[in-house]
Parts: sequence; structure tokens; C-alpha cells
Amino acid sequence: KNEVEQSPQNLTAQEGEFITINCSYSVGISALHWLQQHPGGGIVSLFMLSSGKKKHGRLIATINIQEKHSSLHITASHPRDSAVYICAARGSQGNLIFGKGTKLSVKP
Amino acid sequence: DAGITQSPRYKITETGRQVTLMCHQTWSHSYMFWYRQDLGHGLRLIYYSAAADITDKGEVPDGYVVSRSKTENFPLTLESATRSQTSVYFCASSPEKSNYGYTFGSGTRLTVV
Repeated sequence: KNEVEQSPQNLTAQEGEFITINCSYSVGISALHWLQQHPGGGIVSLFMLSSGKKKHGRLIATINIQEKHSSLHITASHPRDSAVYICAARGSQGNLIFGKGTKLSVKP
Repeated sequence: DAGITQSPRYKITETGRQVTLMCHQTWSHSYMFWYRQDLGHGLRLIYYSAAADITDKGEVPDGYVVSRSKTENFPLTLESATRSQTSVYFCASSPEKSNYGYTFGSGTRLTVV
């Protein structure tokens, strides 16, 4: 079993829809990261969470430490949001343990 | 330009050759990391470094060597490249191990033929 599990693996949405990507982890963490990767592109850090909720524009990330679960929400989705979203747990050595990613495609 | 830069961006090499991937950061971040990204496996940690002259193995270190003589540089060397090392390699840095975000380099796409 992977230490960080994401769902769904693939997600197709229509422009304007509300999107949720889920992440569960089984390891002790100091923080939970959400990352974005466009096709053929680099990796961009969206959020780092250790508790509660963070918001940046149309993106919202939440974490429930007791349940070892985090969600990434995208409101009013847009085709430019199409990317792979990766959840990563930050381990005791500062390294990241990654989920396999969720490939999001937003259709106009 | 400030930031974290990787070079080369693309590299094709032959089996058995030694290859070095470069990573340079301008923030004096203490922590630096090398990850590889493969279809079906996602991103996995190769090596990391907590400071100059301090390095440690990650999940998949076999066939790789790192050094960190200066805080800003963290090169990754494939001593004798194999086809299984064909991958996209990402370098990353962070000021410390817990409470700060990560910054990733643009990646190096390495093909071993």
C-alpha cells in the first residue's frame, strides 16, 4: 500500500464545475503539500498545510490531521486548470513522499 | 536570475557512460533534494542533503552519487548509466525541513540509449 494515496487518478470536468481531489496518507507528517504539474512542465508548489484550510484565488486546500486526509478544491474550473495535481506528505527528513497524481482535464 | 536552475534540460547518453546533472540554487537553502519521475511510479527520492557536506540516501539511490561541497550546488552523477535510469530528474530546495515550502527546478529529461 502506498503511503500517500490520491483519488481520482483521472478527472474530466466541464468549465465552471467545482472540482475536488482527495489525498489520504498513512505516515506521520510535518506538512502536506499540493503541487501542480502541466504536461511536459515543471512542478509548482500550490499549498503547504499543517492544519486547517488555505485559499489562493480559486484554489482551496484543507487538511484533517486526525483523519490523515486532505482535499484540494477548484472553484469555477477553467481549461487552464488542466494539469496533474500531486499530493505529497512531508517526512521527518524534510523529503516529500508523493501520491501518484490526479490528471485533471477541464473541457470548455 | 534568482531561483533554482537545472542543467542540462535534455540529455541523451549511452549505456555505461558517466553523466552529471547539475542543480544550482541562489537562496542559500539548507535542504536540497533529487527526485526522479517515472510513469507508474510517480516521483521518488534519490538523495537529499541537509547542508553542505551532509548527504543521505533516499528511496532509490542505487547507481547514483551526489556531492555538496557548496550550499548552492547539488550535482547528481550517474556513474555508469543504464536504460532503467531513463527518467525526468527534478532538483528541489527548501530553507529547512519542516515549516517552509519547496521550490523545484525545471527538470532534466535524461534518455539512456
